[in-house]
Amino acid sequence: RKEVEQDPGPFNVPEGATVAFNCTYSNSASQSFFWYRQDCRKEPKLLMSVYSSGNEDGRFTAQLNRASQYISLLIRDSKLSDSATYLCVVTATNYGGSQGNLIFGKGTKLSVKP
Amino acid sequence: DADVTQTPRNRITKTGKRIMLECSQTKGHDRMYWYRQDPGLGLRLIYYSFDVKDINKGEISDGYSVSRQAQAKFSLSLESAIPNQTALYFCATSDFGTGAQETQYFGPGTRLLVL
Repeated sequence: RKEVEQDPGPFNVPEGATVAFNCTYSNSASQSFFWYRQDCRKEPKLLMSVYSSGNEDGRFTAQLNRASQYISLLIRDSKLSDSATYLCVVTATNYGGSQGNLIFGKGTKLSVKP
Repeated sequence: DADVTQTPRNRITKTGKRIMLECSQTKGHDRMYWYRQDPGLGLRLIYYSFDVKDINKGEISDGYSVSRQAQAKFSLSLESAIPNQTALYFCATSDFGTGAQETQYFGPGTRLLVL
């Protein structure tokens, strides 16, 4: 099983649609979880952290289910500017015992159309 | 000015050549990382450094070496470049705090083509 798995997409949705991304991770010892956004040919940037209680930032909602080792990102009322690749990221705990290193999923590509 | 800078931004080299990619940061972070990104494979960690005296191998360190010249500078070297090292390379920094959820800040990337 790969450490962080995501549906590669692409997800093609019209403006205003609600879209959900799912992610599973294999290391039950992972402590921290994130969604990063990467625009085409650009660097990844943190979109939001994911907390056990779930968290919301405007149109974006992230959920974590530790029992199922599952993370989700919901985007409501999608905009053209949301078009990007969304990376699911979890902390690694076994890189030489160094807490805090990140494991990146391969990303899910989103394309929002007019 | 960008907090994390990488030079060069683009590089074409030939098999067997030695090249160095440089990363500088003004964020004052202790931790620095080098990743490569390949289509369909996502980001993979090459090396990381938690302070000036600390260097650690990541997932795919073979064929690479690094130097942490100062807190603000972390260089990646390809001693003898080969075509399968053609990729997009990112430097990143972070400041891991106690109990904090770590955020990594990425440089703009270096596109490397090895012929």
